[in-house]
Amino acid sequence: ILNVEQSPQSLHVQEGDSTNFTCSFPSSNFYALHWYRWETAKSPEALFVMTLNGDEKKKGRISATLNTKEGYSYLYIKGSQPEDSATYLCAFIRNSGGSNYKLTFGKGTLLTVNP
Amino acid sequence: KAGVTQTPRYLIKTRGQQVTLSCSPISGHRSVSWYQQTPGQGLQFLFEYFSETQRNKGNFPGRFSGRQFSNSRSEMNVSTLELGDSALYLCASSSGARFTETQYFGPGTRLLVL
Repeated sequence: ILNVEQSPQSLHVQEGDSTNFTCSFPSSNFYALHWYRWETAKSPEALFVMTLNGDEKKKGRISATLNTKEGYSYLYIKGSQPEDSATYLCAFIRNSGGSNYKLTFGKGTLLTVNP
Repeated sequence: KAGVTQTPRYLIKTRGQQVTLSCSPISGHRSVSWYQQTPGQGLQFLFEYFSETQRNKGNFPGRFSGRQFSNSRSEMNVSTLELGDSALYLCASSSGARFTETQYFGPGTRLLVL
C-alpha cells in the first residue's frame, strides 16, 4: 500500500494571506506527480504535472516545487483569494515495473479563504 | 474544443445489476483514465486506456472492466453491483499515455446502488 500524505487536512486563511501545503510520497520508483484543484460541484482541474527532481512550476499566484529524493512536493498560493477555496489534491505516479504505472491520490488539503 | 463528456450523469441501480458508463474525451486525446470517488476512500485510480489498449490498472476487482474504441471513446462496466460501488465515477483524457501529460476531467457520473 502506497502512502501519499497531504498536510494539513484543512486550512482556513484570510484573503491576502499566502499559504502552502505539502504532499509526501515514497521516494522510490518516482515517475510523476500531479497537483489538482477541486472545487465543490465541479471537476478536478489540473494545476501542474511534475516529473523532474527540483522542478518548479508556476501558474499565476500558484507555484509548486518537487523533491523526489526526499519524497515531497510543496504547493504555494500567494495572496489567497476567496475563489482559491477548494480541495487541493496531489497524485503520485510510480513505475511499478516494466511498463506498469500506478497512480495514487492523497486525501487532499481543503483550503477555505475568508474575505 | 469541447471538453470531456460523460453519460449518464446520474444513475440508480440495484444490487446485482450491471452498469455501463461512457466517456468521450477531448478531440485528439488518445488516453482515457477512470477514477472512483467515495467519501471513505477518496479518489482512486481504476484504469487507463491508450489507443484501445489498457495500459495501467488500479487495485479493483475484476467486476470493474473497461474498453476503448477506435475513436478514443471509452466505456466502463461494473458487473454484479454492490452497495459499496455507490460513488462518483470520473474519467479524464490526455494527449499522452502514462500520466506525463495534463489530464482533463469530465463532470462525472454519480452512481447510487440500492
